[in-house]
Amino acid sequence: EDQVTQSPEALRLQEGESSSLNCSYTVSGLRGLFWYRQDPGKGPEFLFTLYSAGEEKEKERLKATLTKKESFLHITAPKPEDSATYLCAVQTHTGTASKLTFGTGTRLQVTL
Amino acid sequence: DTAVSQTPKYLVTQMGNDKSIKCEQNLGHDTMYWYKQDSKKFLKIMFSYNNKELIINETVPNRFSPKSPDKAHLNLHINSLELGDSAVYFCASSPGGLSYNEQFFGPGTRLTVL
Repeated sequence: EDQVTQSPEALRLQEGESSSLNCSYTVSGLRGLFWYRQDPGKGPEFLFTLYSAGEEKEKERLKATLTKKESFLHITAPKPEDSATYLCAVQTHTGTASKLTFGTGTRLQVTL
Repeated sequence: DTAVSQTPKYLVTQMGNDKSIKCEQNLGHDTMYWYKQDSKKFLKIMFSYNNKELIINETVPNRFSPKSPDKAHLNLHINSLELGDSAVYFCASSPGGLSYNEQFFGPGTRLTVL
Protein backbone atom coordinates (compact mmCIF):
# COMPACT_ATOMS: atom_id res chain seq x y z
CA GLU A 1 0.00 0.00 0.00
CA ASP A 2 1.22 3.50 -0.85
CA GLN A 3 2.44 5.43 2.19
CA VAL A 4 3.35 9.06 2.68
CA THR A 5 4.86 10.33 5.93
CA GLN A 6 5.47 13.98 6.71
CA SER A 7 7.66 15.42 9.42
CA PRO A 8 7.65 17.29 11.62
CA GLU A 9 3.96 17.28 12.51
CA ALA A 10 4.21 20.89 13.62
CA LEU A 11 6.90 23.53 13.26
CA ARG A 12 7.16 26.93 14.81
CA LEU A 13 9.62 29.39 13.27
CA GLN A 14 10.48 32.98 13.86
CA GLU A 15 10.23 35.31 10.91
CA GLY A 16 13.39 34.96 8.84
CA GLU A 17 14.34 31.56 10.34
CA SER A 18 14.76 29.15 7.42
CA SER A 19 13.89 25.46 7.70
CA SER A 20 12.79 22.38 5.76
CA LEU A 21 9.77 20.12 5.80
CA ASN A 22 10.17 16.45 4.93
CA CYS A 23 7.93 14.09 2.97
CA SER A 24 9.04 10.46 2.70
CA TYR A 25 7.13 7.97 0.60
CA THR A 26 6.88 4.33 -0.39
CA VAL A 27 4.83 3.78 -3.51
CA SER A 28 4.76 1.43 -6.44
CA GLY A 29 5.03 3.48 -9.57
CA LEU A 30 5.37 7.14 -8.60
CA ARG A 31 3.95 9.38 -11.32
CA GLY A 32 4.44 12.66 -9.53
CA LEU A 33 4.84 14.25 -6.11
CA PHE A 34 2.67 17.21 -5.22
CA TRP A 35 2.94 19.90 -2.56
CA TYR A 36 -0.16 21.74 -1.42
CA ARG A 37 -0.75 24.52 1.08
CA GLN A 38 -3.89 24.50 3.20
CA ASP A 39 -5.10 27.48 5.22
CA PRO A 40 -7.60 26.97 8.06
CA GLY A 41 -11.14 26.52 6.78
CA LYS A 42 -10.06 26.30 3.15
CA GLY A 43 -9.29 23.67 0.55
CA PRO A 44 -5.72 22.68 -0.36
CA GLU A 45 -4.03 25.04 -2.80
CA PHE A 46 -1.55 23.64 -5.32
CA LEU A 47 2.11 24.67 -4.98
CA PHE A 48 4.38 22.31 -6.94
CA THR A 49 4.61 19.06 -8.87
CA LEU A 50 7.89 17.13 -9.07
CA TYR A 51 8.25 14.23 -11.44
CA SER A 52 11.73 12.77 -11.15
CA ALA A 53 14.61 12.49 -8.68
CA GLY A 54 16.87 15.52 -8.78
CA GLU A 55 14.13 17.89 -9.88
CA GLU A 56 13.73 21.21 -8.05
CA LYS A 57 11.06 23.90 -8.25
CA GLU A 58 10.87 27.33 -6.63
CA LYS A 59 8.17 29.82 -5.86
CA GLU A 60 8.94 32.93 -3.83
CA ARG A 61 10.34 31.71 -0.49
CA LEU A 62 9.56 28.04 -1.17
CA LYS A 63 11.73 25.48 -2.91
CA ALA A 64 10.76 21.83 -3.40
CA THR A 65 13.23 19.04 -4.12
CA LEU A 66 12.78 15.35 -4.85
CA THR A 67 14.88 12.22 -4.35
CA LYS A 68 13.91 8.60 -4.92
CA LYS A 69 12.54 8.24 -1.40
CA GLU A 70 11.64 11.70 -0.17
CA SER A 71 10.90 15.30 -0.94
CA PHE A 72 11.80 18.44 0.94
CA LEU A 73 10.04 21.76 1.05
CA HIS A 74 12.61 24.39 1.97
CA ILE A 75 11.32 27.68 3.35
CA THR A 76 13.80 30.53 3.18
CA ALA A 77 13.33 33.57 5.44
CA PRO A 78 9.68 32.80 6.13
CA LYS A 79 7.08 35.44 6.86
CA PRO A 80 3.95 35.17 9.06
CA GLU A 81 1.82 34.82 5.92
CA ASP A 82 3.59 31.51 5.21
CA SER A 83 1.81 30.03 8.24
CA ALA A 84 -0.36 27.15 7.00
CA THR A 85 -0.48 23.38 6.83
CA TYR A 86 1.69 21.99 4.05
CA LEU A 87 0.53 18.74 2.50
CA CYS A 88 2.53 16.35 0.38
CA ALA A 89 0.87 13.85 -1.94
CA VAL A 90 2.06 11.14 -4.31
CA GLN A 91 0.33 10.42 -7.58
CA THR A 92 -0.07 6.86 -8.76
CA HIS A 93 -2.14 5.18 -11.41
CA THR A 94 -4.77 2.52 -10.79
CA GLY A 95 -5.96 1.23 -14.13
CA THR A 96 -7.22 4.24 -16.05
CA ALA A 97 -7.40 6.45 -12.98
CA SER A 98 -4.90 8.80 -11.42
CA LYS A 99 -4.94 8.93 -7.62
CA LEU A 100 -3.36 11.17 -4.97
CA THR A 101 -2.33 9.73 -1.60
CA PHE A 102 -1.72 12.44 0.97
CA GLY A 103 0.47 12.67 4.02
CA THR A 104 -0.88 14.06 7.28
CA GLY A 105 0.75 17.42 6.75
CA THR A 106 3.11 19.75 8.59
CA ARG A 107 1.49 22.61 10.46
CA LEU A 108 3.78 25.63 10.13
CA GLN A 109 3.51 28.70 12.32
CA VAL A 110 5.74 31.70 11.63
CA THR A 111 5.87 34.33 14.34
CA LEU A 112 7.21 37.89 14.36
CA ASP B 1 -15.23 33.21 -11.02
CA THR B 2 -15.10 30.30 -8.54
CA ALA B 3 -13.32 27.26 -9.99
CA VAL B 4 -14.65 24.46 -7.73
CA SER B 5 -17.63 25.26 -5.54
CA GLN B 6 -19.43 23.21 -2.91
CA THR B 7 -22.71 23.62 -1.09
CA PRO B 8 -23.39 23.80 1.73
CA LYS B 9 -20.28 25.01 3.53
CA TYR B 10 -21.58 23.77 6.88
CA LEU B 11 -23.98 20.92 7.54
CA VAL B 12 -25.19 19.98 11.02
CA THR B 13 -27.56 17.04 11.29
CA GLN B 14 -28.75 14.24 13.53
CA MET B 15 -27.62 10.62 13.40
CA GLY B 16 -29.70 8.52 11.05
CA ASN B 17 -30.57 11.37 8.68
CA ASP B 18 -29.80 11.42 4.95
CA LYS B 19 -27.97 14.41 3.47
CA SER B 20 -26.39 15.54 0.22
CA ILE B 21 -23.43 17.73 -0.65
CA LYS B 22 -23.20 19.34 -4.09
CA CYS B 23 -20.09 20.14 -6.11
CA GLU B 24 -19.66 22.05 -9.34
CA GLN B 25 -16.55 22.96 -11.35
CA ASN B 26 -16.32 25.50 -14.15
CA LEU B 27 -12.80 24.57 -15.28
CA GLY B 28 -13.91 22.24 -18.05
CA HIS B 29 -12.17 19.33 -16.34
CA ASP B 30 -13.08 15.73 -17.08
CA THR B 31 -12.34 14.22 -13.67
CA MET B 32 -13.83 14.99 -10.28
CA TYR B 33 -13.12 13.61 -6.83
CA TRP B 34 -14.48 13.42 -3.31
CA TYR B 35 -12.09 13.46 -0.35
CA LYS B 36 -12.70 13.15 3.38
CA GLN B 37 -10.51 15.07 5.84
CA ASP B 38 -10.78 13.82 9.42
CA SER B 39 -10.15 15.68 12.66
CA LYS B 40 -6.41 14.97 12.38
CA LYS B 41 -6.39 16.70 8.99
CA PHE B 42 -5.72 13.44 7.11
CA LEU B 43 -7.08 13.83 3.56
CA LYS B 44 -8.21 10.58 1.96
CA ILE B 45 -9.76 9.95 -1.43
CA MET B 46 -13.22 8.42 -1.49
CA PHE B 47 -14.37 8.47 -5.13
CA SER B 48 -13.33 9.66 -8.55
CA TYR B 49 -15.44 10.16 -11.66
CA ASN B 50 -14.19 10.68 -15.20
CA ASN B 51 -16.76 11.98 -17.68
CA LYS B 52 -19.59 10.80 -15.43
CA GLU B 53 -18.09 7.34 -15.04
CA LEU B 54 -16.93 6.02 -11.64
CA ILE B 55 -13.22 5.17 -11.86
CA ILE B 56 -12.06 5.12 -8.25
CA ASN B 57 -14.10 3.74 -5.37
CA GLU B 58 -12.01 3.39 -2.24
CA THR B 59 -13.17 1.37 0.75
CA VAL B 60 -16.14 3.54 1.62
CA PRO B 61 -19.38 2.34 3.30
CA ASN B 62 -22.15 1.92 0.76
CA ARG B 63 -24.13 4.53 2.70
CA PHE B 64 -22.09 6.98 0.61
CA SER B 65 -23.28 7.26 -2.98
CA PRO B 66 -21.75 9.69 -5.46
CA LYS B 67 -23.76 10.88 -8.44
CA SER B 68 -22.48 12.70 -11.50
CA PRO B 69 -25.29 14.14 -13.65
CA ASP B 70 -22.73 15.67 -16.02
CA LYS B 71 -18.98 16.13 -16.04
CA ALA B 72 -19.20 19.52 -14.30
CA HIS B 73 -21.09 18.19 -11.28
CA LEU B 74 -20.39 15.52 -8.70
CA ASN B 75 -22.74 15.21 -5.75
CA LEU B 76 -22.33 13.10 -2.64
CA HIS B 77 -25.34 11.56 -0.93
CA ILE B 78 -24.97 10.03 2.51
CA ASN B 79 -27.62 7.76 4.00
CA SER B 80 -28.16 6.94 7.67
CA LEU B 81 -25.51 9.34 8.94
CA GLU B 82 -23.29 8.16 11.80
CA LEU B 83 -21.17 10.07 14.32
CA GLY B 84 -18.01 8.88 12.56
CA ASP B 85 -19.09 10.61 9.35
CA SER B 86 -18.32 13.97 10.95
CA ALA B 87 -15.47 15.46 8.91
CA VAL B 88 -14.71 18.00 6.23
CA TYR B 89 -15.54 16.77 2.73
CA PHE B 90 -13.66 18.24 -0.21
CA CYS B 91 -14.52 18.06 -3.86
CA ALA B 92 -11.71 18.39 -6.40
CA SER B 93 -11.28 18.32 -10.15
CA SER B 94 -8.47 17.78 -12.63
CA PRO B 95 -8.15 17.66 -16.42
CA GLY B 96 -8.31 13.92 -16.07
CA GLY B 97 -6.90 10.71 -17.45
CA LEU B 98 -3.36 9.66 -16.67
CA SER B 99 -1.81 13.09 -17.06
CA TYR B 100 0.33 14.66 -14.39
CA ASN B 101 -2.06 17.51 -13.71
CA GLU B 102 -2.74 18.91 -10.30
CA GLN B 103 -6.13 18.66 -8.67
CA PHE B 104 -8.05 21.82 -7.81
CA PHE B 105 -9.94 21.68 -4.54
CA GLY B 106 -13.19 23.25 -3.44
CA PRO B 107 -13.57 25.12 -0.13
CA GLY B 108 -14.91 22.07 1.73
CA THR B 109 -18.12 21.14 3.52
CA ARG B 110 -17.88 20.68 7.27
CA LEU B 111 -20.33 17.94 8.26
CA THR B 112 -21.21 17.56 11.93
CA VAL B 113 -23.35 14.60 12.97
CA LEU B 114 -24.93 14.92 16.42
